[in-house]
Amino acid sequence: RKEVEQDPGPFNVPEGATVAFNCTYSNSASQSFFWYRQDCRKEPKLLMSVYSSGNEDGRFTAQLNRASQYISLLIRDSKLSDSATYLCVVADTLSGYALNFGKGTSLLVTP
Amino acid sequence: NAGVTQTPKFQVLKTGQSMTLQCAQDMNHEYMSWYRQDPGMGLRLIHYSVGAGITDQGEVPNGYNVSRSTTEDFPLRLLSAAPSQTSVYFCASREQSNQPQHFGDGTRLSIL
Repeated sequence: RKEVEQDPGPFNVPEGATVAFNCTYSNSASQSFFWYRQDCRKEPKLLMSVYSSGNEDGRFTAQLNRASQYISLLIRDSKLSDSATYLCVVADTLSGYALNFGKGTSLLVTP
Repeated sequence: NAGVTQTPKFQVLKTGQSMTLQCAQDMNHEYMSWYRQDPGMGLRLIHYSVGAGITDQGEVPNGYNVSRSTTEDFPLRLLSAAPSQTSVYFCASREQSNQPQHFGDGTRLSIL
């Protein structure tokens, strides 16, 4: 079983739509969670950390469900510029390195 | 703000050649790592370091060496380039194990 799993998509949505991605992780000892955004062949950039109580940054909302071992990312009022691949990252801070990346979910926002 | 700096940005090598990809960070981060990214494969960890003088293998270490003589620098050496090593290479750093990573803008490497 893979450590971090994401639906690769692509998710094709019209401008203004709301879209949600989920990411499941297998290690219940995981401590830290992040969403990254990656544009085509460029470096991943941190979008937001995910906190236990859930957190919001503008149009973006992240949630953590420890019981079911998944995190989610909700994007409201999608913009053309939101088109990218979204990577889920899970850290197990009890081990030496253990920063696990999902393969990403591709989002295409269309006019 | 320099952050994580990778050089070169592009490189073409012939099979069998060796080279070093450079990575430097100016944030005094303890953790540094090297990834390769291939189409459909996601990011795969090559080697990582949790501090100066300490390195360890990741998921795909074969054909690569690293060293960490200073906190700032973490070079990746290709010993004898092979076409299978054609990829985009990203260096990343983070302050602590529970902190997010900062990535360099990548080195696009082609092996002919």
